[in-house]
Amino acid sequence: EVQLVESGGGLVQPGGSLRLSCAASGFTFRDWGMDWVRQAPGKGLEWVSHIAADGTMYYADSVKGRFSISRDNAKNSLHLQMNSLRDEDAAVYFCVRSGFEYWGQGTLVTVSS
Amino acid sequence: EIVLTQSPATLSLSPGERGTLSCRASQSVGSSLAWYRQNPGQAPRLLIHDASNRATGIPGRFSGSGSGTDFTLTISSLEPEDFAVYYCQQRYNWPLTFGGGTKVEIK
Repeated sequence: EVQLVESGGGLVQPGGSLRLSCAASGFTFRDWGMDWVRQAPGKGLEWVSHIAADGTMYYADSVKGRFSISRDNAKNSLHLQMNSLRDEDAAVYFCVRSGFEYWGQGTLVTVSS
Repeated sequence: EIVLTQSPATLSLSPGERGTLSCRASQSVGSSLAWYRQNPGQAPRLLIHDASNRATGIPGRFSGSGSGTDFTLTISSLEPEDFAVYYCQQRYNWPLTFGGGTKVEIK
């Protein structure tokens, strides 16, 4: 059974940093691209970033230069390093296996002073 | 960036009725379009990929059609769990984008 479990969310001040993690199981992690998608409270879905199986990365314009996606195939884990956080980055962040058939339950990031 | 516009914003229907949701792209996305349903407090669930292919385990009452810039999701007979928010997504090019959503509510 495919499982994706996010962690690392929490309260951070504007301008601060946070590192999200996603523990993957139930599939051969190194063979799959992975994505982060976020959803601000009461709002729609926003794609954030993708890392392919070969390590190629893509970012939404709204996070480019501030967020960095990475993966550790030895530990079956996905990460999102978020720097220079803004109010508008507050959201639930979902870890998603490419194909978008499997989603984690999300981790909440709150940006507030 | 490809902009996806979903309509209507809200659809008021009764259980058992047919629902038709629309998604229009600002430029052609070929058939690289997906549909999701999101129930309150849950992660989105993939319903349709590549415009018309049902995802694993998705019941036959869901069907997708369209290509290029105009797409439709049809729910033939609404079940209680189908009263939710629906999103379309293009996977044609980067950055991936989602539509703003259609809320299907009980009339």
